[in-house]
This record gives sequence, structure tokens and C-alpha cells, in this order.
Amino acid sequence: KNQVEQSPQSLIILEGKNCTLQCNYTVSPFSNLRWYKQDTGRGPVSLTIMTFSENTKSNGRYTATLDADTKQSSLHITASQLSDSASYICVVTRLSGAGSYQLTFGKGTKLSVIP
Amino acid sequence: DVKVTQSSRYLVKRTGEKVFLECVQDMDHENMFWYRQDPGLGLRLIYFSYDVKMKEKGDIPEGYSVSREKKERFSLILESASTNQTSMYLCASRTSGYEQYFGPGTRLTVT
Repeated sequence: KNQVEQSPQSLIILEGKNCTLQCNYTVSPFSNLRWYKQDTGRGPVSLTIMTFSENTKSNGRYTATLDADTKQSSLHITASQLSDSASYICVVTRLSGAGSYQLTFGKGTKLSVIP
Repeated sequence: DVKVTQSSRYLVKRTGEKVFLECVQDMDHENMFWYRQDPGLGLRLIYFSYDVKMKEKGDIPEGYSVSREKKERFSLILESASTNQTSMYLCASRTSGYEQYFGPGTRLTVT
């Protein structure tokens, strides 16, 4: 069964600290993995997209890693800011029949950054 | 910049009413999607469309229908709204490649 599991479910950190969010998946065949940031009451916005051959990808203070062998990804946030408070959603894409893509969503990690 | 817009940010409807949620994208994307998002359940796919006048059921299509008469517009229809359809509804569009762009969402409350 194609699944994406994220941990922790929620996280509270102090402003300025670093944190790491985890994503484990069983989706196959793997096409790519994305991390989205979703502010409260808003639609998700893409942070990074990683294909099979990419191990690390950065977007400012966000760094995503991918281990395709163990089917694990992480999102590391450096020097957190209050504006990082949001839900972070891991999405894994697989190539289904006839060249179409199917997305499997994790349930997200809710991050709260406090002063 | 890709833009996906949704007709309403907040909507309150009564049980039994017919509800239309509109989504428009301005990047000529072939693929469009409707999701609902509920606490603890994440995003769940309701319907999607790969082309004009084409529609496919997602994981939870019951109680919903869709319409895609033009490439840029994808509508979600609740024929007879029920309280268990109170949710955040998200529209998305995508080319045949990787990136999927989401709209701002419509928070629908059915009373």
C-alpha cells in the first residue's frame, strides 16, 4: 500500500533554534518527493522537489534530504523564525499507468515557533 | 508566476443547498484537482481532470461532482450539502511535469 508517514505530528521550538521533520514512505515506483509549507488557512506552497538521484536540496534556511534506499526524507529548518510556524507536508509522487502521476500526501507536521 | 484562484475564501451554506466551488488557473495547465483537507486526515483527492470535459474520481468522490468546460476552470459541485462536507477545499493545477500549484483554499461550513 502506498503510504507517507510524517513525524512528529506537532513540534514546538524556540525562535532561532533548528529542527528536523521526518518523512517515511512506501510509495512505489518512486518519481519524486516534495515538501510543502502550509500557513494556517492557506493553500500549500512548494519548498523543494527531489528526484531519485538527489540526496540534498536547499531553499534558503530549508534543507531537504532524501535516502531513496531507505525511503526516508527529512526537512531541516535552520535558525527558525516566527514565520516558519506552519504545517509541513511531505508528498510522494509515483508514476502510474499511461504516464500519469499519482500523489500520496502525508498528514503533515505542525510546527510552532515561539519567541 | 503560476496563479490558482478560488472563488471564495469562506463560505457558509445550509444543509441541502447546492454549492459551487470555482477554481481558475492562468498557466494553461492540463491537469486540475480538487482536494479536501480535514484535521488529522491530511489532503484527500476528490476529483481530478486531465483535460477539458474529462473527469476522474479520486479517493472520496461520494457526494461531489465536477465540471470542466474550459481548460482554465474546474468547478466542484456539492449537489446537496451535508454537515460532514464541512471542510477546507483546495484546488490545484499541474502540467505533465512535477510541480503542482495550490489555490488559497475555501473553508466551507455547512450548518
